[in-house]
Amino acid sequence: DVKVTQSSRYLVKRTGEKVFLECVQDMDHENMFWYRQDPGLGLRLIYFSYDVKMKEKGDIPEGYSVSREKKERFSLILESASTNQTSMYLCASSFRTSGSWTETQYFGPGTRLLVL
Amino acid sequence: GQNIDQPTEMTATEGAIVQINCTYQTSGFNGLFWYQQHAGEAPTFLSYNVLDGLEEKGRFSSFLSRSKGYSYLLLKELQMKDSASYLCAVVDSNYQLIWGAGTKLIIKP
Repeated sequence: DVKVTQSSRYLVKRTGEKVFLECVQDMDHENMFWYRQDPGLGLRLIYFSYDVKMKEKGDIPEGYSVSREKKERFSLILESASTNQTSMYLCASSFRTSGSWTETQYFGPGTRLLVL
Repeated sequence: GQNIDQPTEMTATEGAIVQINCTYQTSGFNGLFWYQQHAGEAPTFLSYNVLDGLEEKGRFSSFLSRSKGYSYLLLKELQMKDSASYLCAVVDSNYQLIWGAGTKLIIKP
């Protein structure tokens, strides 16, 4: 079974703090993704990575950065947390899409972040 | 713009059948995913359709009509454990997933 793990299930941080969210996958997937999920909205892509040290901005990258130093690990960084970043953060991974077939994304359990 | 529409919430009775619809308008189409997400848990893969028609997988089936920009997820013989949110996601021309807000399905005894 594919396993995607995230470093914390729940986090409480203060405004202005630097926050690190870590994600690890054990399936040798090339692609990794960070989403946030808010009530009434679909999953929104923050950043994704298709290889080590590669990163691409998603739909809402402002206020976030990422790091992928190893294939299995993808970190999301909130440089200076703000209250509007209170959300559920989901990490996902997949094999690289080849041709016209889109590979399934496998998700971690999520980190619920509260910024006070 | 890109848009995925699903009903916000649906209620059904244990043992019955329910159909969850998804309509989409996206820049290009390279497939459609359905995921199930129980409260507080990760989304898990249910189905992927790229060609028109019905795909059946046990109690769950997924249908796609590309010309109508429409898909549905059909759940038969509903069980209490099917209470969850069901997420529709379309793969656009850049092979990015565009997600609907999800449909919360409530099963009553």
